[in-house]
Amino acid sequence: KQEVTQIPAALSVPEGENLVLNCSFTDSAIYNLQWFRQDPGKGLTSLLLIQSSQREQTSGRLNASLDKSSGRSTLYIAASQPGDSATYLCAVFDAGNQFYFGTGTSLTVIP
Amino acid sequence: DTEVTQTPKHLVMGMTNKKSLKCEQHMGHRAMYWYKQKAKKPPELMFVYSYEKLSINESVPSRFSPECPNSSLLNLHLHALQPEDSALYLCASSQTGTRGEKLFFGSGTQLSVL
Repeated sequence: KQEVTQIPAALSVPEGENLVLNCSFTDSAIYNLQWFRQDPGKGLTSLLLIQSSQREQTSGRLNASLDKSSGRSTLYIAASQPGDSATYLCAVFDAGNQFYFGTGTSLTVIP
Repeated sequence: DTEVTQTPKHLVMGMTNKKSLKCEQHMGHRAMYWYKQKAKKPPELMFVYSYEKLSINESVPSRFSPECPNSSLLNLHLHALQPEDSALYLCASSQTGTRGEKLFFGSGTQLSVL
């Protein structure tokens, strides 16, 4: 069974800092990987979707990379802002036709 | 319209009550999902409807009963729930349910079982 892990579990940074969130998965037979943002008590918002054939995707201050062979993805956030404070989850869709979610990283950006 | 709408946003129910959660999307998606999320945990898949065909996570108790009246609507019927069923219930949709398309989530229903 696919296992998805995110490190660190929590991160606190001062405003303006660049940061990296990590996601690792155990079975490299995936179709794609998505990064989501979740505010407390709310639903998930899809940030970036990387297909298995792609190496990275960018949207504004966000850049996600994928190394399928090593089972790793990173989400890079440039020039962090207090509004970026949220929990970030990654999810992989694998040959089992199911999404597997990571444990999440809780990000706090301090003004 | 890229929204998935869930109602109600909050629900408090007793263990003997029957209630329903509702979910609606108008993006023409043919796959809809119910997830359960406990605090500080990742979402767990409960049910998937893809082209009106149901896939069940066999670990989900029978006190949860999904219904898909049409491709735009998804309900979750609740009966005789337990306090440990208290959680955030999330509905999601995707275009076809295959090959891991982008998932669109609703804002969730926060359920408390007393």
